[in-house]
Amino acid sequence: GAVVSQHPSWVICKSGTSVKIECRSLDFQATTMFWYRQFPKQSLMLMATSNEGSKATYEQGVEKDKFLINHASLTLSTLTVTSAHPEDSSFYICSALSSGQAYEQYFGPGTRLTVT
Amino acid sequence: AQKVTQAQTEISVVEKEDVTLDCVYETRDTTYYLFWYKQPPSGELVFLIRRNSFDEQNEISGRYSWNFQKSTSSFNFTITASQVVDSAVYFCALSEALDNFNKFYFGSGTKLNVKP
Repeated sequence: GAVVSQHPSWVICKSGTSVKIECRSLDFQATTMFWYRQFPKQSLMLMATSNEGSKATYEQGVEKDKFLINHASLTLSTLTVTSAHPEDSSFYICSALSSGQAYEQYFGPGTRLTVT
Repeated sequence: AQKVTQAQTEISVVEKEDVTLDCVYETRDTTYYLFWYKQPPSGELVFLIRRNSFDEQNEISGRYSWNFQKSTSSFNFTITASQVVDSAVYFCALSEALDNFNKFYFGSGTKLNVKP
């Protein structure tokens, strides 16, 4: 089956620093990737849609300048949390859309970010 | 309005009991997909099933079964003879043709506790 990896799996950073999270599709090409955020005991909320070679599309209420998304290749999308604050602490999950099956999203294992 | 409703926030059962997790969805689209995912404490989403709107056949996979009823806009999930390893948060999700199936609308999740 299709595999999506995320790196790092967890990260602790100090307030004011930036953190980059990578999402890779390991055995398939993904023209579209998605970034979700999940607060404790809550559901997944879509943050943005990342398209290879173009600008990401952000959901309403998500700050574009704070959550920078880059989808430079068909297998890699990155999410950079800039000037992180404690309220950015969350579980970030990416998913990748298989170009062969438009309805199938494959989810990464998630990255737990803690900002101190 | 919530597109996917999981009214049960948390359910506790004793091992070997059967348990049904409810999912009610809302869509104006005639073509859509419904999903169930399991999220164990590790956080990684585990895909369980995908159903398209044209296939109302119930499905059984081992101890798992799904009841899709368009008349009531429900896609319920039953675990037969529950086991401790079934303890997790379960999410129901919807994707629609209107969004090219790109957007996943997740329910709020149901936490299942299976006690020995």
